[in-house]
Amino acid sequence: AIQLTQSPSSLSASVGDRVTITCRASQGISSALAWYQQKPGKAPKLLIYDASSLESGVPSRFSGSGSGTDFTLTISSLQPEDFATYYCQQFNSYPALTFGGGTKVEIK
Amino acid sequence: QVQLVESGGGVVQPGGSLRLSCAASGFTFSSYGMHWVRQAPGKGLEWVAFIRYDGSNKYYADSVKGRFTISRDNSKNTLYLQMNSLRAEDTAVYYCAKDKEAAAGFDYWGQGTLVTVSS
Repeated sequence: AIQLTQSPSSLSASVGDRVTITCRASQGISSALAWYQQKPGKAPKLLIYDASSLESGVPSRFSGSGSGTDFTLTISSLQPEDFATYYCQQFNSYPALTFGGGTKVEIK
Repeated sequence: QVQLVESGGGVVQPGGSLRLSCAASGFTFSSYGMHWVRQAPGKGLEWVAFIRYDGSNKYYADSVKGRFTISRDNSKNTLYLQMNSLRAEDTAVYYCAKDKEAAAGFDYWGQGTLVTVSS
């Protein structure tokens, strides 16, 4: 099974900071990767699909990049509503899927 | 607007059974693959099961294979998860989720329903 390793597992940042989260796959997955944001007590929300495509309605400060085994989610200027946990998900072995362990973004 | 509403969660003893439902509206349910995803308390997301748009193919995580069955009734716009031989480690919030398109992310999720397996 394809494993996804996210780093860091948590980070502290200030409003306005540029934040980068990485996701590494245990084998190549082309661009078959999505990113989600989850706030406490809520369902996840799709941010990025196909590694770099922005989901409709998602602010442009979110961007994704990468292919193969290494991927990044970048928030260009962190906003108060962005404090949440972020997950990557691989689709290379669709429909059997795996999520990364998550990255919690906290207020500094 | 698209809505997914789960129901059927609750407290069940180890070894027991439970059936979850997910009522869909706002889109052509019969055209999309659907998934169940769970999240244990304080933990990350775990994909559980998938069913093709027409119900012809089903896939399961190894952790639930042989115990859980996913199904759908396209005439009722409803997705199901039959859970048998439940274990303490199945305790989680269970979400249903809609394929954006095949292998491109889950664009809509339900609010989740809590399943607690405890004696």
